[in-house]
Amino acid sequence: QVQLVQSGAEVKKPGSSVKVSCKASGGTFSSYAVTWVRQAPGQGLEWMGRIIPIFGSANYAQKFQGRVTFTADEFTSTAFMELSSLRSEGTAVYYCAIGTRSLYYFDIWGQGTLVTVTS
Amino acid sequence: SYVLTQPPSVSVAPGQTARIACGGNNIGSESVHWYQQKPGQAPVLVISYDSDRPSGIPERFSGSNSGNAATLTINRVEAGDEADYYCQVWDTSSDHPVFGGGTKLTVL
Repeated sequence: QVQLVQSGAEVKKPGSSVKVSCKASGGTFSSYAVTWVRQAPGQGLEWMGRIIPIFGSANYAQKFQGRVTFTADEFTSTAFMELSSLRSEGTAVYYCAIGTRSLYYFDIWGQGTLVTVTS
Repeated sequence: SYVLTQPPSVSVAPGQTARIACGGNNIGSESVHWYQQKPGQAPVLVISYDSDRPSGIPERFSGSNSGNAATLTINRVEAGDEADYYCQVWDTSSDHPVFGGGTKLTVL
């Protein structure tokens, strides 16, 4: 069973960038779409976009277009999410997730990475 | 973009049945997926494709979908079911998932 393990918490200053990693253990994710979801404190789940590592193609939510970049390293089964021009509203937990049985829902989630944006 | 509407909160006594609604325009023609999220934890898929239970999810969890509302039903509610629940569909017009705002289930 594939598990997703994310990198640790980050503290960033406004205007800077953050790069979060998501490593698949117990399998690979090259054939899956890796989705990134953001959850601000006390708020709901927000789709940021996804990448299909085997194709290297990515789709981004309009809200994050131009500020977020997804990449993936098939050799290490690791996906990355880089968010630039961080603002205080960027303080959130960032999750990676995959659907092993469907493109349309997510049955495996990473543990989440808390990114705190503060001056 | 497709909009999903959930009640902010639902309360139920232990042993009773909890029903959490997810409203959307003609949602009955969509496939609805449900997630449970406990404090400080990642979401967990509890229902896929309206009513399918993933392996490991208790039979107490079930789902239905018709018309303009989908429903997650939890029978014989336990204290451990207290969590936030989110519905999700795939918006084919924009080709991305849409989540409801979440419902906090409180077990009295």
